[in-house]
Amino acid sequence: ILNVEQSPQSLHVQEGDSTNFTCSFPSSNFYALHWYRWETAKSPEALFVMTLNGDEKKKGRISATLNTKEGYSYLYIKGSQPEDSATYLCASRDNYGQNFVFGPGTRLSVLP
Amino acid sequence: ETGVTQTPRHLVMGMTNKKSLKCEQHLGHNAMYWYKQSAKKPLELMFVYNFKEQTENNSVPSRFSPECPNSSHLFLHLHTLQPEDSALYLCASSQEGATSYYEQYFGPGTRLTVT
Repeated sequence: ILNVEQSPQSLHVQEGDSTNFTCSFPSSNFYALHWYRWETAKSPEALFVMTLNGDEKKKGRISATLNTKEGYSYLYIKGSQPEDSATYLCASRDNYGQNFVFGPGTRLSVLP
Repeated sequence: ETGVTQTPRHLVMGMTNKKSLKCEQHLGHNAMYWYKQSAKKPLELMFVYNFKEQTENNSVPSRFSPECPNSSHLFLHLHTLQPEDSALYLCASSQEGATSYYEQYFGPGTRLTVT
């Protein structure tokens, strides 16, 4: 059974600040790591799917890196805006099946 | 809009009631999922259907019964639930494939309260 952790649990930053948070997951039998953004009262929205060690993905001001050997991924937001306020979830999948295990999320609040 | 719809959005039911949650995806995907999110807990995968066949059942109590009549529709039948089953129930879909890595598209969820 996978155990996925995220830190910090919550984060408050000022508009314009850059920030990052961490997802850690078991490295054995790793298959894929997903990042989602979940705004209040909306559906979780897929940000990235990462599979290879050393992967870096970027979408606008948001980027992510992956280290499968040590079992962690970082999500970076450059120049945070109030509309970035959301809960950021990571989910890991091993290669035994379609069992996604989600972390508890990092709740980001960007203050204007 | 993600292309995944869920009804109802809110449901209050007694412990002796029987109700069903419905999910429909308009994305042409071949895999569908039910998740549960309880307060202060991570999203928990409940069931996975791949090509209408159930492939995962994460030790979910039998009072939750899924049904997938075709690749676009997924139901979760509820009966004799307990108050601790009150949660947000999310449906998701994905396209199975060698390189898709199962990126999931989520519906808005059904907020269930069991009284």
